[in-house]
Amino acid sequence: DAGVTQTPRHEVAEKGQTIILKCEPVSGHNDLFWYRQTKIQGLELLSYFRSKSLMEDGGAFKDRFKAEMLNSSFSTLKIQPTEPKDSAVYLCASSFGHPTERLFFGHGTKLSVL
Amino acid sequence: GDSVTQTEGPVTLSEGTSLTVNCSYETKQYPTLFWYVQYPGEGPQLLFKVPKANEKGSNRGFEATYNKEATSFHLQKASVQESDSAVYYCALSETYGSSGNKLIFGIGTLLSVKP
Repeated sequence: DAGVTQTPRHEVAEKGQTIILKCEPVSGHNDLFWYRQTKIQGLELLSYFRSKSLMEDGGAFKDRFKAEMLNSSFSTLKIQPTEPKDSAVYLCASSFGHPTERLFFGHGTKLSVL
Repeated sequence: GDSVTQTEGPVTLSEGTSLTVNCSYETKQYPTLFWYVQYPGEGPQLLFKVPKANEKGSNRGFEATYNKEATSFHLQKASVQESDSAVYYCALSETYGSSGNKLIFGIGTLLSVKP
């Protein structure tokens, strides 16, 4: 079974650059999530889509972070411009959308901003 | 809003000793509770879930009871192994408005088991 696929696995960017992270959810899943993971904050929700509609855009992350879902099988997370504090692991997850259903996570993209 | 509070790590144990990771939650709803585990280089994966109050979930020797009165969901294992070294997340499902749902995660607890 194909799980959640994230590319690239690693990304190195200079401060001020624009980077785009990609995610392919599990086929048939209705919900898609982008999380940022750091040791200090744990898992922070950046964006949440239900059937391609944006349900939540992460509040504090709105100004430089933009997630899109143009079709049910592909999503992107754009960070523009990048800052060193954005260095973290970015995780994409998908689910069928029922409250008792689990999330399936990708391996994540490790972003380093110099 | 809903929240989850869990033991802050890191937690270091020797093989064969017992583990308890505390988890407490706040919500006005009737959530499903989850424990996720994350191994190095991978995304979190479901360890087990419990959708109903006063029931127990278990997997791979880990277990937790959904205690609605105490609003707790502590993770326990009687005898840990080196392969249990990972980050453990407690989470609850939050219904989003009239439809949709998302998971609220705790901070995560890093467990290191020494041989």
